[in-house]
Amino acid sequence: NAGVTQTPKFQVLKTGQSMTLQCAQDMNHEYMSWYRQDPGMGLRLIHYSVGAGITDQGEVPNGYNVSRSTTEDFPLRLLSAAPSQTSVYFCASSYSARVSDTGELFFGEGSRLTVL
Amino acid sequence: DAKTTQPTSMDCAEGRAANLPCNHSTISGNEYVYWYRQIHSQGPQYIIHGLKNNETNEMASLIITEDRKSSTLILPHATLRDTAVYYCIVRAYSGYSTLTFGKGTMLLVSP
Repeated sequence: NAGVTQTPKFQVLKTGQSMTLQCAQDMNHEYMSWYRQDPGMGLRLIHYSVGAGITDQGEVPNGYNVSRSTTEDFPLRLLSAAPSQTSVYFCASSYSARVSDTGELFFGEGSRLTVL
Repeated sequence: DAKTTQPTSMDCAEGRAANLPCNHSTISGNEYVYWYRQIHSQGPQYIIHGLKNNETNEMASLIITEDRKSSTLILPHATLRDTAVYYCIVRAYSGYSTLTFGKGTMLLVSP
């Protein structure tokens, strides 16, 4: 049972380049989300999904796209990277986004992105 | 969701109890209190949650005041590995609700 797997762990991009951060979970979780964390800050929600085919914006969605074609995968796309997107990105999942669930989020190990 | 207020940092001696406070004075009746922690460079880890009763698990205890306006996370015997940022979060008990992380409390456990 791998849990939540993020790839790549480290990435350096040039301004204007595009890339996709991959996130996969093997726990059959309904809910998946992406957060970013900047130095000295808490985690800020970028996008989330409550099931395959359903996505929604979080607190800081600009510059990022997501899709959820399968239960297992929730990739985060940067179409034209900017230095302001330099951050550590965390993917998280839980059985359900419904608060009748425990609300326990399982996090990946993070992907550290630098945009030059 | 209600906002929370936590001290920026706290210190604790190894082997002693660590008591981390959280103020959530605007909490409403349908909101739960959650605690997570983040050890340096790792993804956050769930610790415990509660509504109005005190809760205990293998990691910690959660004490919620009777008026629910504040809570305390207790690590009974802190170890060096408990050094981390601790986040207190409130979450509505209705429909779908995401977790919003603030800046948390940096707990430093020293020998």
